[in-house]
Amino acid sequence: SQQGEEDPQALSIQEGENATMNCSYKTSINNLQWYRQNSGRGLVHLILIRSNEREKHSGRLRVTLDTSKKSSSLLITASRAADTASYFCVPSNTGRRALTFGSGTRLQVQP
Amino acid sequence: DAGVIQSPRHEVTEMGQEVTLRCKPISGHNSLFWYRQTMMRGLELLIYFNNNVPIDDSGMPEDRFSAKMPNASFSTLKIQPSEPRDSAVYFCASRQDRGNSPLHFGNGTRLTVT
Repeated sequence: SQQGEEDPQALSIQEGENATMNCSYKTSINNLQWYRQNSGRGLVHLILIRSNEREKHSGRLRVTLDTSKKSSSLLITASRAADTASYFCVPSNTGRRALTFGSGTRLQVQP
Repeated sequence: DAGVIQSPRHEVTEMGQEVTLRCKPISGHNSLFWYRQTMMRGLELLIYFNNNVPIDDSGMPEDRFSAKMPNASFSTLKIQPSEPRDSAVYFCASRQDRGNSPLHFGNGTRLTVT
């Protein structure tokens, strides 16, 4: 299925540290998206990286994509307590409307 | 824009009762999705609509579940009769079916069936 697998399942860091989450997938893709879910809320789209891009930045977020290894990473720099959430990667093809989600990485940032 | 609006925010009902969850997508979005999230199974896609037409309902767990989208600004997910194992958070999401546009989620309905 076109679903990402996030690693680690859980991550606990101190405020100010960097957090790195990894994603692997199995199918060919046009793009890969990252979403965040705060406790008790819906998912929020963070960033999209296209298959012809290797790296993309947005504020404190840095995403990489290696299509030869079918993997992606999400780096959050200088983490804050407010970054505490679950993070999901979603590989996608433009022609496929529905997105399916894995189990995510639960990030805990200790103040 | 108010975002995707779901109601109710919480629903507690007894087994056997009918439950109706409601969703108002973002104006201009022509694809709508219903997901269910539990600790055990994570986030599951139940059904999605494109231009108000159901495209894929293979994720609907049983005939007790049904979904409708009578117009572009409203959708319902109905469970009849409800069972305790239906307890979950149900999310509605919408997107413009164009290019790489992202999904926009509502804040969900937490359903508890006792």
